[in-house]
Amino acid sequence: EAEVAQSPRYKITEKSQAVAFWCDPISGHATLYWYRQILGQGPELLVQFQDESVVDDSQLPKDRFSAERLKGVDSTLKIQPAELGDSAMYLCASSFTGTGTAEAFFGQGTRLTVV
Amino acid sequence: QQPVQSPQAVILREGEDAVINCSSSKALYSVHWYRQKHGEAPVFLMILLKGGEQMRHEKISASFNEKKQQSSLYLTASQLSYSGTYFCGTEGAGGSNYKLTFGKGTLLTVNP
Repeated sequence: EAEVAQSPRYKITEKSQAVAFWCDPISGHATLYWYRQILGQGPELLVQFQDESVVDDSQLPKDRFSAERLKGVDSTLKIQPAELGDSAMYLCASSFTGTGTAEAFFGQGTRLTVV
Repeated sequence: QQPVQSPQAVILREGEDAVINCSSSKALYSVHWYRQKHGEAPVFLMILLKGGEQMRHEKISASFNEKKQQSSLYLTASQLSYSGTYFCGTEGAGGSNYKLTFGKGTLLTVNP
């Protein structure tokens, strides 16, 4: 069964260091999302791609976060410098279309701890 | 606008029923329901579209009241496997881009 792949599963980093997460969506899925989930909360959308283009990054802290999906397939989310408040689960999801009628498939996530 | 879910938590005995509600202050185009078990990724349950029918997933069903901008998830004859956190995700009507905004979740615990 096709899955959204994310790596690493866990990451511990020191404050002010750079950290990067990788996501490989299900083959053929044009829409890719990065969500941040704080323990006990719902996922918060950080950035949404349609193919290689960003269609929504209104909640992305652009002074320290960046995301790219260069060939419209896999994607990287970067944080530089990391802050203590960035500790959270970072979830990647993909869907076949971005029309609101297709389910989003989530990866297992990367749990980030900033110390 | 983040949808509001209620209750925040519910505890059931196996075989009991539960209802989880999701409401929005904005007009909605669709409502999605997901279940997340501890330490795992959210798993899709169903989508309800504006003007669409009530949906079902096994013994879990949901409705969407467009006028009230509300959706309810009905868990019938709950099983131990239903335990987890349920999230509703909403998409606002009139948007040109599909943006799924999730509520804070409802923690469901089913005990034997």
